[in-house]
Amino acid sequence: DSGVTQTPKHLITATGQRVTLRCSPRSGDLSVYWYQQSLDQGLQFLIQYYNGEERAKGNILERFSAQQFPDLHSELNLSSLELGDSALYFCASSGGLAGEETQYFGPGTRLLVL
Amino acid sequence: ILNVEQSPQSLHVQEGDSTNFTCSFPSSNFYALHWYRWETAKSPEALFVMTLNGDEKKKGRISATLNTKEGYSYLYIKGSQPEDSATYLCAPFLYNQGGKLIFGQGTELSVKP
Repeated sequence: DSGVTQTPKHLITATGQRVTLRCSPRSGDLSVYWYQQSLDQGLQFLIQYYNGEERAKGNILERFSAQQFPDLHSELNLSSLELGDSALYFCASSGGLAGEETQYFGPGTRLLVL
Repeated sequence: ILNVEQSPQSLHVQEGDSTNFTCSFPSSNFYALHWYRWETAKSPEALFVMTLNGDEKKKGRISATLNTKEGYSYLYIKGSQPEDSATYLCAPFLYNQGGKLIFGQGTELSVKP
């Protein structure tokens, strides 16, 4: 158990809908990262927050947004969902910003868009 | 497009075999290299973080070496066990990539009893 929690574990929804994925980092960690893993794709970095502020952005679609709240939990919002958004979404956390900091991954949310 | 290559893509070995795989990454702007182990139906688990050229890390039967000048890292597993079956991911952290890890596609290891 990494100490990172994600809810829900599974999510089934329809095209055009909007969903929110939630992540609670390990106690004391200030950085939260979101990753997407689709079929035949490696882990794709989406976005990083550090202590409430956006710090790094990857290949995140405009239909997706995220935020980190004062209690450091983070939410990833996916809107106008398409079939291709079906994927495993991971949240990870680390203590700070340094590139050598280990990222601890949550169990993931599996999203299925029908 | 930044290229992080891992080879082989998959590997099937017998219990007791020793094995190794490679991670290649751009050598310029290197800051750190992360290795993760990802078992089916679980989440990626950190193995090592390496930062110095020539660095060698060890955790039980698993060890890794790093060559930052030529841009590669090797992961070795001595005396593979069925519980070592997993996908092994490497991810460099480079200065010019906006502060993020770039994950390779992984090497899928299957160890038969």
